[in-house]
Amino acid sequence: EIVLTQSPGTLSLSPGERATLSCRASQSVSRGYLAWYQQKPGQAPRLLIYGASSRATGIPDRFSGSGSGTDFTLTISRLEPEDFAVYYCHQYGDSPDTFGQGTKLEIK
Amino acid sequence: QVQLVQSGSELKKPGASVKVSCKASGYTFTTYAMNWVRQAPGQGLEWMGWINTNTGNPTYAQGFTGRFVFSLDTSVSTAYLQISSLKAEDTAVYYCARAPPTGVLDYWGQGTLVTVSS
Repeated sequence: EIVLTQSPGTLSLSPGERATLSCRASQSVSRGYLAWYQQKPGQAPRLLIYGASSRATGIPDRFSGSGSGTDFTLTISRLEPEDFAVYYCHQYGDSPDTFGQGTKLEIK
Repeated sequence: QVQLVQSGSELKKPGASVKVSCKASGYTFTTYAMNWVRQAPGQGLEWMGWINTNTGNPTYAQGFTGRFVFSLDTSVSTAYLQISSLKAEDTAVYYCARAPPTGVLDYWGQGTLVTVSS
């Protein structure tokens, strides 16, 4: 199975700053089928990005995804207070689906 | 609007069984697969598998065979997760999540907390 490794484990930033989250796969993700989700405490995950770089419906354009093959990045251009949460990457190109362990984005 | 509404929290004793429901609305139920994802307390997301809502054919991830069963009632647009012979380590929030043919999990239920304790 494809192992996804997210870094850093925790990212401490201030509102207004730029956040860069990484997701590295143990082998190439088929068809670029890599998604990013945001999860806040007590809530279900929410889809942000699919196909590595396509924003889901209703997602603000400060969120962007990039990458291919084994290296993927989620960028939040200017952090808003509501962006502080845990972020997960997910590959759905090869069975079984797998998730990264998550990056916690916390307020500095 | 698309909604997945799951059944409420459950408290079960070891060895018992539990059945979690996931009722879909706002779209044609049989045109999207239904996935199940587990999240143990304070932990990350773990994909359990999916069920083809057209054929009823389930696919289980390794570690979720035997005691875990996915099923459907298409007449009421509802998917089910049944777990038998519950163990303390089954304590987790269980999510259903819709997937188009590509497999991305585009809409999620609110989650159902299953607690296994004597």
